[in-house]
Amino acid sequence: DQQVKQNSPSLSVQEGRISILNCDYTNSMFDYFLWYKKYPAEGPTFLISISSIKDKNEDGRFTVFLNKSAKHLSLHIVPSQPGDSAVYFCAADLTGNQFYFGTGTSLTVIP
Amino acid sequence: DTGVSQNPRHKITKRGQNVTFRCDPISEHNRLYWYRQTLGQGPEFLTYFQNEAQLEKSRLLSDRFSAERPKGSFSTLEIQRTEQGDSAMYLCASSLVEDTQYFGPGTRLTVL
Repeated sequence: DQQVKQNSPSLSVQEGRISILNCDYTNSMFDYFLWYKKYPAEGPTFLISISSIKDKNEDGRFTVFLNKSAKHLSLHIVPSQPGDSAVYFCAADLTGNQFYFGTGTSLTVIP
Repeated sequence: DTGVSQNPRHKITKRGQNVTFRCDPISEHNRLYWYRQTLGQGPEFLTYFQNEAQLEKSRLLSDRFSAERPKGSFSTLEIQRTEQGDSAMYLCASSLVEDTQYFGPGTRLTVL
């Protein structure tokens, strides 16, 4: 039962353009959401998070948007850089005890 | 490097053998988590500790799996009588209570 879904397994974007990665969830009780970036042969690296009381959080080139009514989360990267090429996972937290991860979106930024 | 470390990074074993992995969390973090990740999937929660107490276990954690954190610092994950289906990346993460989890590099297990 996949409670967090990333329906796009891959995304290609030109360098300098905006990358938009999407994530949907089913459990309305989730109250904290995160994005992680993962390079091959490494563990996931925390990128940015958002609490359910907010609808936007920004950190440099990265902005996360939360639409609670649609149960939808998105990560915007602008401008995209080749070093952003990685697999991006969204995660949702219910109780503060475990994260539920999506299946990941592989982003390729083309120079 | 003060991040989460895991050893070994890679383990190849024959079916039926026992394996043990170690995780050293960030020193001030009192929570430690184990996840499993298979190809094409996101990390799946296995279990977590707060200090030395194991507070939650996923149904994915069969009776062949056991995790310990005896002194509230490092943790071990043991898999007994390994099966080919156990082949995966085993990830450890640590956090302060109810805060962002920081992941280690993982241990890739291959069961032949």
